[in-house]
Amino acid sequence: DSGVTQTPKHLITATGQRVTLRCSPRSGDLSVYWYQQSLDQGLQFLIQYYNGEERAKGNILERFSAQQFPDLHSELNLSSLELGDSALYFCASSPTGTGGSPLHFGNGTRLTVT
Amino acid sequence: GQQVMQIPQYQHVQEGEDFTTYCNSSTTLSNIQWYKQRPGGHPVFLIQLVKSGEVKKQKRLTFQFGEAKKNSSLHITATQTTDVGTYFCAGAGANNLFFGTGTRLTVIP
Repeated sequence: DSGVTQTPKHLITATGQRVTLRCSPRSGDLSVYWYQQSLDQGLQFLIQYYNGEERAKGNILERFSAQQFPDLHSELNLSSLELGDSALYFCASSPTGTGGSPLHFGNGTRLTVT
Repeated sequence: GQQVMQIPQYQHVQEGEDFTTYCNSSTTLSNIQWYKQRPGGHPVFLIQLVKSGEVKKQKRLTFQFGEAKKNSSLHITATQTTDVGTYFCAGAGANNLFFGTGTRLTVIP
């Protein structure tokens, strides 16, 4: 158990809809990362937060947004969903936001857009 | 921007054969990390290398960090079926971690 909790585990929704993915980091970790993994693909970095502030942005679409709350949990909002957004979305946390510490990944949320 | 390339993308080996995956960065890294993702699972941290030329071993796994801190390798001796999965390297730059494209290892019994 990595200590990172992601909910829900599975999500099935229709095109055009909006969903929210939730992540609770490991106790003591201040940084949260979001990654997208399409079928048989690598990990695409979306966005990183550190102690409530956005730290780095990757290939995140304008239809996607995220935030980290004062209690350090994070939410990833995906709107105007398209079929191509179907993927596994991972959240990871680390104590620092500099890349010097290993990341601990949650089990992921599998999103299916129909 | 910073890129971390990993080869090969796929590798099929007979059980008992050795396996190596290579990771190359376009810039000097402060450290490199390796992760393993089992089929249907999430990436799990294996090890971190920090020093130039560093070599670390975990049982049958040997990790190396290049002298210039731009490349790394993971070598598995005498693969077992439990080694199947995708191995990712992740290079740390100034403020972030950049994952390689991963090498998917299949072990044929």
